[in-house]
Amino acid sequence: AQTVTQSQPEMSVQEAETVTLSCTYDTSESDYYLFWYKQPPSRQMILVIRQEAYKQQNATENRFSVNFQKAAKSFSLKISDSQLGDAAMYFCAYRRVLYNQGGKLIFGQGTELSVKP
Amino acid sequence: SQTIHQWPATLVQPVGSPLSLECTVEGTSNPNLYWYRQAAGRGLQLLFYSVGIGQISSEVPQNLSASRPQDRQFILSSKKLLLSDSGFYLCAWRGTYEQYFGPGTRLTVT
Repeated sequence: AQTVTQSQPEMSVQEAETVTLSCTYDTSESDYYLFWYKQPPSRQMILVIRQEAYKQQNATENRFSVNFQKAAKSFSLKISDSQLGDAAMYFCAYRRVLYNQGGKLIFGQGTELSVKP
Repeated sequence: SQTIHQWPATLVQPVGSPLSLECTVEGTSNPNLYWYRQAAGRGLQLLFYSVGIGQISSEVPQNLSASRPQDRQFILSSKKLLLSDSGFYLCAWRGTYEQYFGPGTRLTVT
């Protein structure tokens, strides 16, 4: 069974600085998707970024980028120029490419990010 | 564009009472739908998913059940709530790659 681990329950960053959130996963499959979701105090889950395992190039979305290390099964999220609005719980998630399990997401336990002004 | 609705937003129910949470999706047809529960602000646990009308897969044995009476409607139910059912319940639908989530229902069982 696949698992996702986020070893940092809490992180803190100064406004305008850069922070990296860690995520590791375990799978025996070669094709899959990885995601980072953000959950602000409103508790609405918002997709931040997606990475396809077959792509070597790391995904980037504005100030958010990932460091995808397939062999090490590591998928970290880097937030550059941190803003107060980035304060939230961040979840790493995994999904198989195949749909025989309904395309379900497997989530890590989350990292609570606080941004200091 | 697609929109997902959940209601109610907040619910306080006594132990032993029934439960019905509703999720509806607009702007897409025959979506895969999911119910997740989040306890204590931590990780999401998949409860049920559905790939079509009347098709329900259960991930975790418990006193909850799910139904999909219409293509874009997904309902989470219980006949008798337990204290341990308290939490934040999220409905989601699957896009091409990722899942998109509704605003959630906060359930407190007293």
